[in-house]
Amino acid sequence: KAGVTQTPRYLIKTRGQQVTLSCSPISGHRSVSWYQQTPGQGLQFLFEYFSETQRNKGNFPGRFSGRQFSNSRSEMNVSTLELGDSALYLCASTASGRDTGELFFGEGSRLTVL
Amino acid sequence: GENVEQHPSTLSVQEGDSAVIKCTYSDSASNYFPWYKQELGKRPQLIIDIRSNVGEKKDQRIAVTLNKTAKHFSLHITETQPEDSAVYFCAAIQSSGTYKYIFGTGTRLKVLA
Repeated sequence: KAGVTQTPRYLIKTRGQQVTLSCSPISGHRSVSWYQQTPGQGLQFLFEYFSETQRNKGNFPGRFSGRQFSNSRSEMNVSTLELGDSALYLCASTASGRDTGELFFGEGSRLTVL
Repeated sequence: GENVEQHPSTLSVQEGDSAVIKCTYSDSASNYFPWYKQELGKRPQLIIDIRSNVGEKKDQRIAVTLNKTAKHFSLHITETQPEDSAVYFCAAIQSSGTYKYIFGTGTRLKVLA
């Protein structure tokens, strides 16, 4: 079974630009969540999607948005990039069930904003 | 709002010694507490988890304890080995089909040979 795949793995942008990151979950997983990882801040929850609907959202500005497609693939978009947006963006998928379970992470997309 | 505090931020132990990482959560509705290990340059992976209906869970050299009254839980690693060196993250979740994971800020564990 293929794992969670994120593209691109690395990217460099300049302030003011926008970026779109993609995440393909494990086959059969319908929940996809996104996290921002920075040194000292750990893993900060961005949002979670299930069946094309955003179920949960973290405390990030509106410049951060996402969506999920009917095949469960998800994208996140950051507009008007700021230097502080430089981070590793991780997505994770999980098998939906009655009880919350294990997150399976991708390798991440490392964004550098110059 | 929900918050998870994790201590210490860094921890160095001699090989063979034990390591303990502690987390405190604020949301009393939390009832699922996983621990993830992230080796350098790799993705986080689940190593152990506990649900609120038990106070302790053990898997070989790793154990987790939970005190719901005090709202804290801990990861215990015994007989540490160099391959235990990594960043460890705790999380607290309200397990009702929601997937809003609130993670601690992480503990960098170094096992010295």
